[in-house]
Amino acid sequence: EADIYQTPRYLVIGTGKKITLECSQTMGHDKMYWYQQDPGMELHLIHYSYGVNSTEKGDLSSESTVSRIRTEHFPLTLESARPSHTSQYLCASSVPGLNYGYTFGSGTRLTVV
Amino acid sequence: QKEVEQDPGPLSVPEGAIVSLNCTYSNSAFQYFMWYRQYSRKGPELLMYTYSSGNKEDGRFTAQVDKSSKYISLFIRDSQPSDSATYLCALGRLTGGGNKLTFGTGTQLKVEL
Repeated sequence: EADIYQTPRYLVIGTGKKITLECSQTMGHDKMYWYQQDPGMELHLIHYSYGVNSTEKGDLSSESTVSRIRTEHFPLTLESARPSHTSQYLCASSVPGLNYGYTFGSGTRLTVV
Repeated sequence: QKEVEQDPGPLSVPEGAIVSLNCTYSNSAFQYFMWYRQYSRKGPELLMYTYSSGNKEDGRFTAQVDKSSKYISLFIRDSQPSDSATYLCALGRLTGGGNKLTFGTGTQLKVEL
């Protein structure tokens, strides 16, 4: 069982609302990531963090923001949700070194109506 | 051109069949090669990783890498209904910002009784 938790699992929300997707891990991993996954498309990295107070934008432009105040917590916030934000959001963490894969959470399925 | 191309499938095979899943890539900087399995409504989980050309076996699964042809494969022997999932290849390399994984689009596999 992965020790990385995402809440909520499913969220349906109206346009213009502010939302925060939660991600927590209990493994003490320094590196954390947010990916966006749409059907038939590759995972797109939207944000990553290499440690506390370190955040970077990923390859895919996103209107979301992230924070990393504690090692175990990496929330993602959308200030004003739009239908184009409808997607699956996956959080992951890893330890340094390429020979360690990422541990993923179960994802948050977001629908903006 | 995408850095990683994955045969999209979907694939439907009978129980007991040998399954071959494939990815090609264009960037010779990739150093690590991974396969993730993703069940419906779950996050991806690391199945296998390797960093050299050749074969790596783990039970019914064999990961094959051919760096000269920039081609990786995952073979599943004696496939079972529990293998029904989406399989994603992921290729890792070091960048200025640390290690980075690039994912394929995934191949959906269904193993039927």
